[in-house]
Amino acid sequence: DTEVTQTPKHLVMGMTNKKSLKCEQHMGHRAMYWYKQKAKKPPELMFVYSYEKLSINESVPSRFSPECPNSSLLNLHLHALQPEDSALYLCASSQAYSRVIRSGANVLTFGAGSRLTVL
Amino acid sequence: AQTVTQSQPEMSVQEAETVTLSCTYDTSESDYYLFWYKQPPSRQMILVIRQEAYKQQNATENRFSVNFQKAAKSFSLKISDSQLGDAAMYFCAYRSAKIGANSKLTFGKGITLSVRP
Repeated sequence: DTEVTQTPKHLVMGMTNKKSLKCEQHMGHRAMYWYKQKAKKPPELMFVYSYEKLSINESVPSRFSPECPNSSLLNLHLHALQPEDSALYLCASSQAYSRVIRSGANVLTFGAGSRLTVL
Repeated sequence: AQTVTQSQPEMSVQEAETVTLSCTYDTSESDYYLFWYKQPPSRQMILVIRQEAYKQQNATENRFSVNFQKAAKSFSLKISDSQLGDAAMYFCAYRSAKIGANSKLTFGKGITLSVRP
């Protein structure tokens, strides 16, 4: 299995709703990432988990709450979002950085994304 | 901090022709990785090609090849025999090879490639 699976593909929510995005991989990767991408722009890193521990938080507002319950799953909990949070949310995974192997290291595998619309 | 620059926002190529997408980067590190990712309208980011900075030989993957000029900090992507399915947004990206370093992947702004039939 060489895929990163994201659900749901599309999500519409109101500003008072609570919802979650889910990401799953079975490649044995121990680093997982959340990115936010606006139309025609590059992805912006939000969070990095390494060995199920949060290692990078790029000063993301607390209305976004990541969770990594096990080595295969990554969630992004959403609460009290704003319309400007509407975007494509991409999940990615890779070999953990502390176990870099020269020949195949540092390649991020991305999921197809969850398109979020906040009304 | 590292930066990646893609100065051309859009390019167009005739089907079956060759096109080159430009990318420059700035870093003080000597060991790093460079990538080209493709994002078609289906929106999934797909790795096209990877280059390790310590390797002098330019990477090649079928119709895709790079021209890696380490001294000039240039990393261009050449697509040969362009196909309609190559139409997408292409991002150049940099990542440090330093163990324990911030594992951030730094992207350029991207270039939209259209392929004319």
